[in-house]
Amino acid sequence: GQNIDQPTEMTATEGAIVQINCTYQTSGFNGLFWYQQHAGEAPTFLSYNVLDGLEEKGRFSSFLSRSKGYSYLLLKELQMKDSASYLCAVEDSNYQLIWGAGTKLIIKP
Amino acid sequence: IAGITQAPTSQILAAGRRMTLRCTQDMRHNAMYWYRQDLGLGLRLIHYSNTAGTTGKGEVPDGYSVSRANTDDFPLTLASAVPSQTSVYFCASSDRLGSADTQYFGPGTRLTVL
Repeated sequence: GQNIDQPTEMTATEGAIVQINCTYQTSGFNGLFWYQQHAGEAPTFLSYNVLDGLEEKGRFSSFLSRSKGYSYLLLKELQMKDSASYLCAVEDSNYQLIWGAGTKLIIKP
Repeated sequence: IAGITQAPTSQILAAGRRMTLRCTQDMRHNAMYWYRQDLGLGLRLIHYSNTAGTTGKGEVPDGYSVSRANTDDFPLTLASAVPSQTSVYFCASSDRLGSADTQYFGPGTRLTVL
């Protein structure tokens, strides 16, 4: 079966750095996405990785290792507005996104 | 309209009733999707369409039907609602199916079936 694993919840302090991990086992791999979802709102796109390595976009970076079936999202200089759920999703060989359950990130002052 | 709109925002429905969730996008995207999101589970794909006139089944299609008469609209119908269909429903669109295109989501419909 297909599976995406992420921690259910993480807590971090404002101004700090946090790393959210995602491991996957899917039928094929056409890329990995990270989305942000604030409570009661729609998911919004954060990043996309298809090749191994680190993609940096401002305070957010995303890393991929295809051989290990592993990705992480790195958030730097945390702000209170970063409190949200972070969803990892993999596009499989059928061109469908397989989604993790999401990691709820709580930021404390 | 900018992006994707969904209607209604929320709905309480008696079991056995028929319900259509509406979704409209103005980005001229070819591909559209319906997901359900339940607590503790990832988004699950119900149905999708890669272009007007064609639809396909996702991971959890039973009890749901869709149509794609034109590019902009992609309604989801529950023929006879059951309590297990209580969920938050998101419509999404992308330029193309697959090809790692970013999906853009509507604001969601919160459906409760009693």
